[in-house]
Amino acid sequence: DAKTTQPPSMDCAEGRAANLPCNHSTISGNEYVYWYRQIHSQGPQYIIHGLKNNETNEMASLIITEDRKSSTLILPHATLRDTAVYYCIAPARTTDSWGKFQFGAGTQVVVTP
Amino acid sequence: NAGVTQTPKFQVLKTGQSMTLQCAQDMNHEYMSWYRQDPGMGLRLIHYSVGAGITDQGEVPNGYNVSRSTTEDFPLRLLSAAPSQTSVYFCASSKDRSNEKLFFGSGTQLSVL
Repeated sequence: DAKTTQPPSMDCAEGRAANLPCNHSTISGNEYVYWYRQIHSQGPQYIIHGLKNNETNEMASLIITEDRKSSTLILPHATLRDTAVYYCIAPARTTDSWGKFQFGAGTQVVVTP
Repeated sequence: NAGVTQTPKFQVLKTGQSMTLQCAQDMNHEYMSWYRQDPGMGLRLIHYSVGAGITDQGEVPNGYNVSRSTTEDFPLRLLSAAPSQTSVYFCASSKDRSNEKLFFGSGTQLSVL
């Protein structure tokens, strides 16, 4: 997997947008960026993924820079239920290393009233 | 669809005991994996499988065995439990090499005394 770097924590006010950065400067051309979140004690949940175009779904938006070395997950209107650890991963797509998906420590997001 | 089902949810073992954590998925996914998560830490990959009959080691395989005799099931065996294996264990699956979207189970909390 491409190494990803995320800030350890960030706070966000309820109702405001939360912008979560992720650096993946060693990402290869065919490797996607995936975002997951883990609400306390639960199994991680898929949020969104992308290759080079910006993506949006009902949960979030993903902005990937043109050089693909970084991305930002945007939670447009954060709620208290968005308090979670957010993980960014960029799984390797070579034949011999596919499947060895590695998660870092993620970003602990705390949404405050 | 049940998705990814893990059993048991909680387990207490004595040092040296053996046990098997069960993981089953009903989505016909080729890929399955096991992670452990220690308190306040990220997910660490133990073992993974890209298809029935195929398994490989992750970051922290020591002390754990796996097998994949069917597409649906991917049990994790602890042959001789140690206190260092106290952790929360998550099983995950994804469709195949075309898609790294992971579906996670709800976890098994294991304590080794």
